[in-house]
Formats: sequence, structure tokens, C-alpha cells
Amino acid sequence: DIQMTQSPSSLSASIGDRVTITCRASQSIGMYLNWYQQKPGKAPKFLIYSASSLQSGVPSRFSGSGSGTDFTLTISNLQPEDFATYFCQQSYSVPKTFGQGTKLEIK
Amino acid sequence: EVELVESGGGLVQPGGSLSLSCAASGFSFSTYWMSWVRQAPGKGLEWVANIKEDGSEIHYGDSVKGRFTISRDNAKKSVYLQMNSLRAEDTAVYYCAKDTYSGTSFFDYWGHGILVTVSS
Repeated sequence: DIQMTQSPSSLSASIGDRVTITCRASQSIGMYLNWYQQKPGKAPKFLIYSASSLQSGVPSRFSGSGSGTDFTLTISNLQPEDFATYFCQQSYSVPKTFGQGTKLEIK
Repeated sequence: EVELVESGGGLVQPGGSLSLSCAASGFSFSTYWMSWVRQAPGKGLEWVANIKEDGSEIHYGDSVKGRFTISRDNAKKSVYLQMNSLRAEDTAVYYCAKDTYSGTSFFDYWGHGILVTVSS
């Protein structure tokens, strides 16, 4: 199975900041990497696919990059609604695996 | 508008069984894979199983293989998860997710989730 490791596990930031979350795969997954946002008590929301393609309706302040084993999710100009937990997920092979999550909190 | 609605959760004793259902609407159900993903309390997301459009291909996560069975009824636009030999570690919110394959694959729509609690 492919292991997905996110860092950091949590981070604090302020409104207007730019933050970066990292996701590392245990083997090369090409660009088969997705990102999701989850708020407490809610289902995950799909943000980015193929490492860098924004799902329709997702604000352009969200961006993704990377390939192979190392990927990043960047959020520019943080807004109040962005404070949530973010998960990466590989779609290269089954079982489809997720990172452990990164909780983004308000400083 | 895509909508996925899970049902069938609840409290079950260890070793017991439970069946979850997910009713889909707002998209052409029979042309999409479907998945179940779960989340233990306070924990991350774990993919459980998925099923191809016509049910001809099925995959399971290692932790549920041999105990859980995914199935679908395209006429009813529903996907199911039969869970047997339940363990305390199966306690989680279970999400039904539309599993879109388009060059790559991703879970673009999720249900609200249903809680399954395994406890004596």
C-alpha cells in the first residue's frame, strides 16, 4: 500500500497569510494526487485533482503543485472560511490512501 | 444537484452485522464508480471499498476485506455496504462518495455521513 504523509499535522496562521501544506507519498504516484478540505462535523469537500487542477467553484487562492512523491497545497490570502483540516489522497492505486490530515487554525 | 444520502447506521455489538445504504440523485448513477470512505472519531479518512459502474469490479481496503461487501442497484440509484463481524475499530462515520474516473480518479461528491458505533 502507498503511504501518504502530510506535514505539518497542524499550523496556525492569520487572515491574509499564505500557507503551504506538504504531502509525501511512499512511492512515486505521478500526479495522481487529490486534496480535500473538511470542516468539523461536515463531509470532506473536493478541492484539487491531478496535483494542480482546481475543481470547479474552488477559489483561485487555492493551488497545488508537485509530482512523483512530493506535493504541496498552497492557500494564499487566507480567509476565515479556510480554517479547516486538509487531506491529501493518492489515486494511483488501490487501496486509495489519505494523508493523516493537516489542521489549519487561526492564530 | 448531486445528492448522496446515507442511511442504516446505528449501534451494534461486536461481532454483529449492519447494512448501510446510499441513495444517489442528480447525476447519471449507472455511469460512475462509487466508494465508501470512513472516519473514526477524531481521526483521518480511510477508504473502505469501491465498485465499478456495472458492479463487475470491486476493491476493498485491507482492514475490511472478507468482512464487508459493497454492492449496487443501478435501477434504484443506490450503493450498499454490508458489514459483518464488526469490531470496535470499525466505529466511524461512514461516507458514501461519488468516485469519478476521468484520466485520474477523485471523490468529487460526498454524502453527509452516517455514524456506526460498535460497542457492547
